[in-house]
Amino acid sequence: ETGVTQTPRHLVMGMTNKKSLKCEQHLGHNAMYWYKQSAKKPLELMFVYSLEERVENNSVPSRFSPECPNSSHLFLHLHTLQPEDSALYLCASSLEVEADTQYFGPGTRLTVL
Amino acid sequence: LAKTTQPISMDSYEGQEVNITCSHNNIATNDYITWYQQFPSQGPRFIIQGYKTKVTNEVASLFIPADRKSSTLSLPRVSLSDTAVYYCLVGDMEKNTGRRALTFGSGTRLQVQP
Repeated sequence: ETGVTQTPRHLVMGMTNKKSLKCEQHLGHNAMYWYKQSAKKPLELMFVYSLEERVENNSVPSRFSPECPNSSHLFLHLHTLQPEDSALYLCASSLEVEADTQYFGPGTRLTVL
Repeated sequence: LAKTTQPISMDSYEGQEVNITCSHNNIATNDYITWYQQFPSQGPRFIIQGYKTKVTNEVASLFIPADRKSSTLSLPRVSLSDTAVYYCLVGDMEKNTGRRALTFGSGTRLQVQP
């Protein structure tokens, strides 16, 4: 248990669906992250938030829309996804945005049909 | 840019000591070296972090030579449950923002056999 929770753990959705991934951290951290991990590929950083402000967007398609209502919660809103978006989506948090140590959630396994 | 290079995979047997070496030739003066462990379908888990010389915790040891251009993660007496991917990370400067960030490489896939 890392102090970072993610729901749902598994999600299957069609290309026309709209769904949201939720992340919550109980560590009092100021930075939160979304990563994507496709099969047999390195983790790809998608978004970085510092104190609810987005500080980084790594050229992620607009069909992925993050939301950070407060420093403890992070959402990833999904709409009109493609099958190649199927992956493990990981949330992480750290004390500050440039900290070396990040704490990861268990991830959401997303399958797009 | 600080990048890391580590072996793609390693095999070992239960009870053996496993050493995974990572090279980071362009490490910056203020960069720490951090190792993570990842099991299938789970998020990476922090194992150990160091700046120089040797660091030891209940899970592993980290050896860092004086020039800091490489580091070695040492897992004593591995068990089957240590089968995982191990990532070595140092800070990296994002091209677009100039912000310091962690960049995960491909990691080392460790397979422990009975």
